[in-house]
Amino acid sequence: GEDVEQSLFLSVREGDSSVINCTYTDSSSTYLYWYKQEPGAGLQLLTYIFSNMDMKQDQRLTVLLNKKDKHLSLRIADTQTGDSAIYFCAVLDTGRRALTFGSGTRLQVQP
Amino acid sequence: DSGVTQTPKHLITATGQRVTLRCSPRSGDLSVYWYQQSLDQGLQFLIQYYNGEERAKGNILERFSAQQFPDLHSELNLSSLELGDSALYFCASSPLGGSGNTIYFGEGSWLTVV
Repeated sequence: GEDVEQSLFLSVREGDSSVINCTYTDSSSTYLYWYKQEPGAGLQLLTYIFSNMDMKQDQRLTVLLNKKDKHLSLRIADTQTGDSAIYFCAVLDTGRRALTFGSGTRLQVQP
Repeated sequence: DSGVTQTPKHLITATGQRVTLRCSPRSGDLSVYWYQQSLDQGLQFLIQYYNGEERAKGNILERFSAQQFPDLHSELNLSSLELGDSALYFCASSPLGGSGNTIYFGEGSWLTVV
């Protein structure tokens, strides 16, 4: 089945850009997602990209997809302390018709 | 607010007991997914329903079952509970049957088994 990998931790300073990376194994994946989870809260859908796209921008968020390398990244511009959270990459497993999640990247934003 | 409503938000129960978690999907969404989030296993897909029918099955234990009702709300039943079932259980909904598009999650139901 699908395997999704993320680095566990990222620390940045307020105002800098953050880049969170994700790799996946199933080349037939059609939709790829980024979710944000704050402490004690649910999963907030940030953005998603269809596999025929290379890039998607939504305000401070930029998603880049490299299908050849099966690599997805989320860039947060002008990172704020309110962006501190765990960010999950998720890939739609077309076989199981369900999302497979990475283990999450904890983003710490220092003032 | 994602529009996906889950109840109860918190639940504490004893081993061996049975609980029911409820989910109301976003208005118009036909698909409902259930996920379990625990510290050691991460986010695990349990089961999906589409318009009342089971559509996909993940790592769901035999002690667990789910259904989706004609009004599209869904329930996840957990029985013979064990300490290891303590986790955050998420419901998600989508307008489609697993072809992608927006998939929104609820706030989750925290289950503690003591």
